Amino acid sequence: DTGVSQNPRHKITKRGQNVTFRCDPISEHNRLYWYRQTLGQGPEFLTYFQNEAQLEKSRLLSDRFSAERPKGSFSTLEIQRTEQGDSAMYLCASSSTGLPEAFFGQGTRLTVV
Amino acid sequence: AQSVTQLDSQVPVFEEAPVELRCNYSSSVSVYLFWYVQYPNQGLQLLLKYLSGSTLVKGINGFEAEFNKSQTSFHLRKPSVHISDTAEYFCAVNRNAGGTSYGKLTFGQGTILTVHP
Repeated sequence: DTGVSQNPRHKITKRGQNVTFRCDPISEHNRLYWYRQTLGQGPEFLTYFQNEAQLEKSRLLSDRFSAERPKGSFSTLEIQRTEQGDSAMYLCASSSTGLPEAFFGQGTRLTVV
Repeated sequence: AQSVTQLDSQVPVFEEAPVELRCNYSSSVSVYLFWYVQYPNQGLQLLLKYLSGSTLVKGINGFEAEFNKSQTSFHLRKPSVHISDTAEYFCAVNRNAGGTSYGKLTFGQGTILTVHP
């Protein structure tokens, strides 16, 4: 396993469309996180899964955002009715119970036009 | 809750010069501390981490950082930088819950290090 994988790397969409991103974590990791990073800022936490359970969601995660991790392996992040303010880099990270650090994927850069 | 402040948004430096990137944190509980590096249009790569023990930690690419509990700081240093060190650097904290951790990181705003020839 070579690390956390995210697809697609880039996505351009029109305002109002729905988009879905996929994250494949490091295979032995049971924890998965989604972060959002806007230009000139550090990553901001969005949500966290342990196995298939979504244990925490940030207030940044509006009702238009939904994340799933159905079998405790890969995860998807869906944004409905995209807005220009959703333009950002969406980063996925994974770790294991007892492992303090997280390992990040390359990110998906979303541009809403 | 935790917060992280990176005191410099941009640090320009000449090749082979030393560099220090400053990070202060605030937390009501014990924390773990990290530095990550991000190259353009890439994800974050872990440079080094402080969990416990010696306050001076060494990481990849010749970087090191010193944890100072009294000053709540975790500054990153390198004695001699290279052009390839040009990147954005993020300081991050994670709550230390009695020796285990939750894994959710709080990041600073980032410091752009530019190394000039």
